[in-house]
Amino acid sequence: QVQLVESGGGVVQPGRSLRLSCAASGFTFTNYDIHWVRQAPGKGLEWVAVIRYDGSNTYYAESVKGRFTISRDNSKNTLHLQMNSLRAEDTAVYYCARFLTGYSSLDSWGQGTLVTVSS
Amino acid sequence: DIQMTQSPSSLSASIGDRVSITCRAGQTLRTYLNWYQQQPGKAPKLLIYIASTLQSGVPSRFSGSGNGTDFTLTISSLQPEDFATYYCQQSYSTPYTFGQGTKLEIK
Repeated sequence: QVQLVESGGGVVQPGRSLRLSCAASGFTFTNYDIHWVRQAPGKGLEWVAVIRYDGSNTYYAESVKGRFTISRDNSKNTLHLQMNSLRAEDTAVYYCARFLTGYSSLDSWGQGTLVTVSS
Repeated sequence: DIQMTQSPSSLSASIGDRVSITCRAGQTLRTYLNWYQQQPGKAPKLLIYIASTLQSGVPSRFSGSGNGTDFTLTISSLQPEDFATYYCQQSYSTPYTFGQGTKLEIK
């Protein structure tokens, strides 16, 4: 079955960096765009970034542009989110999700990993 | 960026009630509008995609409608497991923005 498993979350000081990973299994990873979506404690969902199936294009929310970098290693079925210059407002659960092009929607989600930015 | 506005922000209803949640976009989406359900502490779950198509395994009491800028999620007869938070999301253009969410609570 389709599975997405995030890792790499934790507590980090403002201004520091953190790298999240998302391990995919149960489907042909190279056929799908993958997105990151985050959710601050007690708040709604915020779309963060997307990378195309072949890594050819990436797009970011304005709130993270220039600080976050999404990448993928199709040989390892793994997605990454490099987060630099972290701010308190980046504190959230980060989800990776598979985008089903024909449905134009996020049909499978990981369980999320919590990032806390605090001194 | 396309702004998505859901209403209401919260809703109290009883088992068996019919409820509707609306989502309005700041510009036309054609039908690139999706609905997700999120239970506390869980990842979101896709309910409806392309405005009105039910995701596999989702009960038929859920339905979606709309086109352009105005969309509706309807639950025909509320069940206990339906009390959750619902989000719309546009997939017309990046950034794929979400609505602010509608929390559905038991009356």
